[in-house]
Amino acid sequence: GAVVSQHPSWVICKSGTSVKIECRSLDFQATTMFWYRQFPKQSLMLMATSNEGSKATYEQGVEKDKFLINHASLTLSTLTVTSAHPEDSSFYICSASGTGPLGVGTGELFFGEGSRLTVL
Amino acid sequence: DAKTTQPPSMDCAEGRAANLPCNHSTISGNEYVYWYRQIHSQGPQYIIHGLKNNETNEMASLIITEDRKSSTLILPHATLRDTAVYYCIVRVVRNQFYFGTGTSLTVIP
Repeated sequence: GAVVSQHPSWVICKSGTSVKIECRSLDFQATTMFWYRQFPKQSLMLMATSNEGSKATYEQGVEKDKFLINHASLTLSTLTVTSAHPEDSSFYICSASGTGPLGVGTGELFFGEGSRLTVL
Repeated sequence: DAKTTQPPSMDCAEGRAANLPCNHSTISGNEYVYWYRQIHSQGPQYIIHGLKNNETNEMASLIITEDRKSSTLILPHATLRDTAVYYCIVRVVRNQFYFGTGTSLTVIP
């Protein structure tokens, strides 16, 4: 199946710093990417939807100035957690849908492996 | 929007079939039923999806009732590696998947 890769898989940072997480579609063009956050023992919560070349759409309650999303190409979206605080510690997961041999007509989303952020 | 209801947890003996139910009584006519699973600290893995006909692939079978208000995911011969949280998803707005609480399946040796 299609492959979506995230980097880094885990990161530890100090409070007040910014952290960037990358999400790449490796074998298809991702016209749309989604970012999720998952706290321990909870389900995935959709944070935002990013379309290539346009501004991201954020879910209610998600601060767009804190979670900066850039989707500059058809294979890369980035999530930057700005001025991170301990409460931002979480598992961040991206997913992608798009066109191409694997994307057209299949309907399913492909998820990355997730990035675990720990803010000290 | 269609919401899903799943039992929070289930056990299954290794080698037996695991039947995971999902209620989605408010599903609309053009909404698909998707199943994903998440093994601890990994991203969700696609299993199967369907609209109204039963579906089968190399991983599982999906049985959707005629009124489409519920479905069952069947893992025919559960193994220890099938221990995971299984999510039934029917709300797909512009390909946005909204996850419910899922069923934590434990396969017992």
